[in-house]
Amino acid sequence: EAQVTQNPRYLITVTGKKLTVTCSQNMNHEYMSWYRQDPGLGLRQIYYSMNVEVTDKGDVPEGYKVSRKEKRNFPLILESPSPNQTSLYFCASSNLGDSHAGELFFGEGSRLTVL
Amino acid sequence: GQNIDQPTEMTATEGAIVQINCTYQTSGFNGLFWYQQHAGEAPTFLSYNVLDGLEEKGRFSSFLSRSKGYSYLLLKELQMKDSASYLCAVMDSNYQLIWGAGTKLIIKP
Repeated sequence: EAQVTQNPRYLITVTGKKLTVTCSQNMNHEYMSWYRQDPGLGLRQIYYSMNVEVTDKGDVPEGYKVSRKEKRNFPLILESPSPNQTSLYFCASSNLGDSHAGELFFGEGSRLTVL
Repeated sequence: GQNIDQPTEMTATEGAIVQINCTYQTSGFNGLFWYQQHAGEAPTFLSYNVLDGLEEKGRFSSFLSRSKGYSYLLLKELQMKDSASYLCAVMDSNYQLIWGAGTKLIIKP
């Protein structure tokens, strides 16, 4: 089954404790992206990757890191989480070769709470 | 700057028709997308418009006017399961998606 898998789905952590949210897709997509979603603000892009070893900042990259060592994986790293990073996070991927490459496939989301 | 506007919330009656509007100002245009998102779930792709006109897909249709920077999503024969947020997104000249904040659609019996 074609899917994007994120882990963990739910996490409560404390300020300053490094954490990683994993994302993996099995559709051989070149493009992967991380979003955060907060009430009233919609989806905001954190980082994206057009292919292996190519990553770029989105609209809200501060406090986050990513890596793209393999095509299927795109982990999101919070080196020192703070309460303002409490949010719902989505990983998404798409096939850049498609006629409408904006058709994103989303993971189920990771709800993160930073105390 | 780049901007996408859509109503925050709309209410409609089961069985009726509702139109959700989206206006945009972006740096370039490479297509407009509509996504559906149920509460607490991931967005799912609904439709794509790159040329002017109407695209129909079952009970859902999407319209685009590039000259006016305007699109709408039309939902017919509303069902309770259509209660969700509907997100409008435009792909700009850099092939990046610009997202609206979403329209929460409430369906009443």
